[in-house]
Amino acid sequence: SQQGEEDPQALSIQEGENATMNCSYKTSINNLQWYRQNSGRGLVHLILIRSNEREKHSGRLRVTLDTSKKSSSLLITASRAADTASYFCATDPRHAGNNRKLIWGLGTSLAVNP
Amino acid sequence: DADVTQTPRNRITKTGKRIMLECSQTKGHDRMYWYRQDPGLGLRLIYYSFDVKDINKGEISDGYSVSRQAQAKFSLSLESAIPNQTALYFCATSDLAPAPYNEQFFGPGTRLTVL
Repeated sequence: SQQGEEDPQALSIQEGENATMNCSYKTSINNLQWYRQNSGRGLVHLILIRSNEREKHSGRLRVTLDTSKKSSSLLITASRAADTASYFCATDPRHAGNNRKLIWGLGTSLAVNP
Repeated sequence: DADVTQTPRNRITKTGKRIMLECSQTKGHDRMYWYRQDPGLGLRLIYYSFDVKDINKGEISDGYSVSRQAQAKFSLSLESAIPNQTALYFCATSDLAPAPYNEQFFGPGTRLTVL
């Protein structure tokens, strides 16, 4: 079952603008991860934020995590046409113990128009 | 060279045919996964393996089987393909890392069409 739910489902912005997408989840987690998928290709890991972290940066990416609200956001600043892709959040549930596998959201489709 | 490879990349087959999708990795990871992706449904886990002797069903294993031939190889079979198995299939790997890390590395995908 899908634990993560991203919103919006689709986002269209102009180059240079910032893009924000959100992810909500249902159970306690070890960490939350964001992945990017270019059309029809494999997913690529972008950034991981641990449950005891509130904010993390990587280049133009900024991720926040609010465990009290069970939500995360991914901000892409100064977007480029090359950022056009689908973005997925995945959670690593705490209850799974050693039988750990990621739980995936349905993704946000981002279009950055030149 | 790619760390996670999948063959074939594209396959068109007919209903009732047996199909095998192969995945190889050079990352030295113990854990391997097979997912399918359908528009609007995200990624769904078919099978996963935490080591060569460990095979587990995911959320949608019916109609599929797997074989973990070696640490580096994990194959997915459709014994008798049906049209609703038309999808994009991904293999992924992860390391046997202690919490909290569990990053997955994906292959390029196999686009399967069942007519």
